[in-house]
Amino acid sequence: GQNIDQPTEMTATEGAIVQINCTYQTSGFNGLFWYQQHAGEAPTFLSYNVLDGLEEKGRFSSFLSRSKGYSYLLLKELQMKDSASYLCAVSLFSGGYNKLIFGAGTRLAVHP
Amino acid sequence: GAGVSQSPSNKVTEKGKDVELRCDPISGHTALYWYRQSLGQGLEFLIYFQGNSAPDKSGLPSDRFSAERTGGSVSTLTIQRTQQEDSAVYLCASSLGNRGRVEKLFFGSGTQLSVL
Repeated sequence: GQNIDQPTEMTATEGAIVQINCTYQTSGFNGLFWYQQHAGEAPTFLSYNVLDGLEEKGRFSSFLSRSKGYSYLLLKELQMKDSASYLCAVSLFSGGYNKLIFGAGTRLAVHP
Repeated sequence: GAGVSQSPSNKVTEKGKDVELRCDPISGHTALYWYRQSLGQGLEFLIYFQGNSAPDKSGLPSDRFSAERTGGSVSTLTIQRTQQEDSAVYLCASSLGNRGRVEKLFFGSGTQLSVL
């Protein structure tokens, strides 16, 4: 089976740094995605890792260790608008194509 | 279109009735995915299409659920004899659909289905 784990909820202070962890055990792995989802809205793409290491994109960075089945999303200089759910997803090869399997998401609340 | 469009945005139905949910993907995207998101839960994969065929429908919860896609574009997810446990947000996503390539998905805003 496929298993993707991430914390259910986190809180942080405006201007601070927060790290959201994701561990996975899946049959097959083609890459790991992070999506952001504000309440009542569509998930939007944040980052993608296929090789080990850190990918930086502005205030957001994502890290992957394939040998450990581990990733994290790092958010710097937190803003109130960063309050949202953050979804970790693993890309699996299926039927000649790739599909994304999602974790349950981490609900982040940013306080003043 | 500019983005993935889903309709209706909200649907309230009575237990036992059939419902149809529609998804219009981004123009030119050949891959189309349906996911279900229950309250406080992650996205549960249901089915995906490449063109009009469905190589993977392993996530459909029961034979009450079916989906089709016509013209390589619009897809319809049908739930027959709805049950209260079917209440959830149904999300559609699309991607370019290049075989063997890992692609990011573009999501619609979803249909909130409530079964009374």
